[in-house]
Amino acid sequence: EVQLVESGGGLVKPGGSLRLSCAASGFTFSFYTMNWVRQAPGEGLEWVSSISPNGDYMYYAVSVKGRFTISRDNAKNSLYLEMNSLRVEDTAVYYCARRRTDSSGWYEFDYWGQGSLVTVS
Amino acid sequence: EIVMTQSPATLSVSPGERATLSCRASQSVSNKLAWYQQRPGQAPRLLIYGASTRATGIPARFSGGGSGTEFTLTISSLQSEDFAVYYCQQYNIWPLTFGGGTKVE
Repeated sequence: EVQLVESGGGLVKPGGSLRLSCAASGFTFSFYTMNWVRQAPGEGLEWVSSISPNGDYMYYAVSVKGRFTISRDNAKNSLYLEMNSLRVEDTAVYYCARRRTDSSGWYEFDYWGQGSLVTVS
Repeated sequence: EIVMTQSPATLSVSPGERATLSCRASQSVSNKLAWYQQRPGQAPRLLIYGASTRATGIPARFSGGGSGTEFTLTISSLQSEDFAVYYCQQYNIWPLTFGGGTKVE
């Protein structure tokens, strides 16, 4: 069974930093593109960042580029999001999500974690 | 950036009725369109990918259609567990973008 478990959320002051982690199990982690998607309170979904299976390629939303860094450790089946210079508007539940991946490309988010709440205040 | 627009924002239906949700892309996304369901307090769940393919374990009452810029999600006979928020998402072009959601109540 695919499982994604986020941790590391909490309350932080504006300008502060936080590191989210996502522990993956139930699949071959190194085969898949991994992602962070966030949801502000009462709002919709916003893609934040993606990282290729081997970690060579990273992509970011304009809203977080230069402040957030995505990384992964395939030996530990773990995904990370380092968040710096946090703003009030970064307050959200952050979901770790797997993206279906094959030799032809990257596709939809097929599995999601339960999320980790980050509050910037 | 491709803007995804969902309509209506809220859809009021009765159990057993049919619900049709719409999603429009500001430019073509081919068939690289997914639908997700989010129940209160839960993470999103994949329903449909490739515009029309049901994800594993999704009941047949859910169906997706369309291509290019116009897409629909149809729930043929609403069950109590289907009252939720539904999001469309394009994965054709970076950045990946979601629609604003349709709440089915």
